[in-house]
Amino acid sequence: DTAVSQTPKYLVTQMGNDKSIKCEQNLGHDTMYWYKQDSKKFLKIMFSYNNKELIINETVPNRFSPKSPDKAHLNLHINSLELGDSAVYFCASSQDDLAGRLFFGPGTRLTVL
Amino acid sequence: AQSVAQPEDQVNVAEGNPLTVKCTYSVSGNPYLFWYVQYPNRGLQFLLKYITGDNLVKGSYGFEAEFNKSQTSFHLKKPSALVSDSALYFCAVRDRPGGKIIFGKGTRLHILP
Repeated sequence: DTAVSQTPKYLVTQMGNDKSIKCEQNLGHDTMYWYKQDSKKFLKIMFSYNNKELIINETVPNRFSPKSPDKAHLNLHINSLELGDSAVYFCASSQDDLAGRLFFGPGTRLTVL
Repeated sequence: AQSVAQPEDQVNVAEGNPLTVKCTYSVSGNPYLFWYVQYPNRGLQFLLKYITGDNLVKGSYGFEAEFNKSQTSFHLKKPSALVSDSALYFCAVRDRPGGKIIFGKGTRLHILP
């Protein structure tokens, strides 16, 4: 069973379009995250939700809007896509305690043309 | 604010030799430290963590890391490298339970046969 899954794995789209990436975890974790990995492999946190509540919102353009319908799901919607949004987006989850390490999904490679 | 530095972009080691991947951190309180590994086109996988206790932490695949509070370092080590250890390694730090996990820029490890 996949612990953290993301769909789609690849997403190729034109500038200006709106797209969504979905994430689900079956680990029963309280907290879910979105990270962005750029072409230089830098990993930057974007958002974090705890039990459906937004707790971390880094300096991300408001074209990016996360939504958590329940604590097992965290989706990422991106409006008006730009070339600079091309990256790999990773979903992750953790239990909200001292030793709460991250469990990562396989990533979604977004290419904006 | 917390931060993590990985001073080496790339480390080359001959198979069978010991390896070290360096990491230093900065946090205002007690650090919670992690190492992750990323293989090509995959999500990050957890290797080990330091929360409290013994300064030498043992993890997956024969890796270990040494926490040094005075030098604010958490270097990753392995006594005998394998070609299959070749990957991208990330050090990460969290400054409190439930807080965001910040990643270093990554170090590419090449194990030469």
